[in-house]
Formats: sequence, C-alpha cells, structure tokens
Amino acid sequence: QQQVKQSPQSLIVQKGGISIINCAYENTAFDYFPWYQQFPGKGPALLIAIRPDVSEKKEGRFTISFNKSAKQFSLHIMDSQPGDSATYFCAPPGSSNTGKLIFGQGTTLQVKP
Amino acid sequence: EAEVAQSPRYKITEKSQAVAFWCDPISGHATLYWYRQILGQGPELLVQFQDESVVDDSQLPKDRFSAERLKGVDSTLKIQPAELGDSAMYLCASSEQGAGNSPLHFGNGTRLTVT
Repeated sequence: QQQVKQSPQSLIVQKGGISIINCAYENTAFDYFPWYQQFPGKGPALLIAIRPDVSEKKEGRFTISFNKSAKQFSLHIMDSQPGDSATYFCAPPGSSNTGKLIFGQGTTLQVKP
Repeated sequence: EAEVAQSPRYKITEKSQAVAFWCDPISGHATLYWYRQILGQGPELLVQFQDESVVDDSQLPKDRFSAERLKGVDSTLKIQPAELGDSAMYLCASSEQGAGNSPLHFGNGTRLTVT
C-alpha cells in the first residue's frame, strides 16, 4: 500500500486566518491530485483538485500548491471561516487506470470565531 | 444534485452475526467503490467495481467480507461473521470513469457498531 503522509493532524485557526495543510506522496506517475472535505456524519466531498502540469490552482478561498519534484501538494484556505471547520484529506491516486485513491490520515481543522 | 444513496444509516450488531450494507450509486456511474473509515482515520478502499466486475479487492478480508454488484448498478457489502474490529463507517462512492482523474462522489455512509 502506498504511503500518503498528511500534516498537521489537527489545526486551530482564528477566523480570517490562513489554514495550510500538507501532503506528501510516493508515486509521481499520475495526473490528478485532489483534496476532499468531510463534515461530521457525512461522506467526503471533493473540494479542489490539481493536475501536475501546473504549480498552483485557485478556486475562491481555496488554493492547491503542487511541487512535483518534492512529491508534495498543499491546501491553503484563505480568510478561514467557522464553516470551514471540517476534516480535510489529500487523496492522491493509487493506480493509473482504476481511479483508486489513497487517502491521507486527515487534518481536523477548527476555525475559531 | 444526484447523490449516492446508502442504507442503513446506522447498524448495531452483535459479534458473530451477519450484516449487510446497500449502496445505489449516481445514475450512469460505471465505477463503484466501498471504503471503510475507522474513526479518526482516512477512508481505506475495500473493493472497487467497474460495472459488475471486481477491479480491486486486494484489501478486502475475503474470509468474512463479500461484495457484489450483480447488474452493474447497486451494490451490497456483507460481513459474516462480524467482529468487534469491524466497527467503522462504511462508505460507498461512485465515479463516471474510474480513471485517475475522475472525482469520487461519496454517500453519507453506514455507521456500524459491533458489540
């Protein structure tokens, strides 16, 4: 089983601050690197994803930064809001042709009002 | 927006009993996944279907777990006999293509407690 190392395990940020979550992966052969967001009692939902031909992708307050040579990608949440309080998972692919995703251990984000 | 349906939402069962979970993926999604999520951890793939065929069941404990997707639409995951360590959230997901860049759409899971 491929390893995915996600950090930090938990994060507390003040409202309006920047939340940064990092993910290190093993396999560089794939073309899709997503972050999933999970609220308590719900299944994970795709938040944002990046292809390795770009170094950064921004969607609203959420940005992925991708460093292919370091085999790392990060999620940045700008102007963090209490509604962003959730668990975030990086989920790089585990296979090139099956869509199998390998989830990190998760980062629990708490945004304080 | 179309959703992945799962039932039951919660299940409590005694050790050594049989238990089954059901999943109805988004219409037209050929790929279906069953993941297990232990509290405080990320989801781990148990089995993946492409239409009615198993693509990956390398992490499925086949001595007690079974999964089927007979008509390539809905799917059932069964555990027999259940063990205390099976207590977890069982998540079903589907995707259009099953390719590396196809988003997974998750249901809200079945929370299993084995006593």
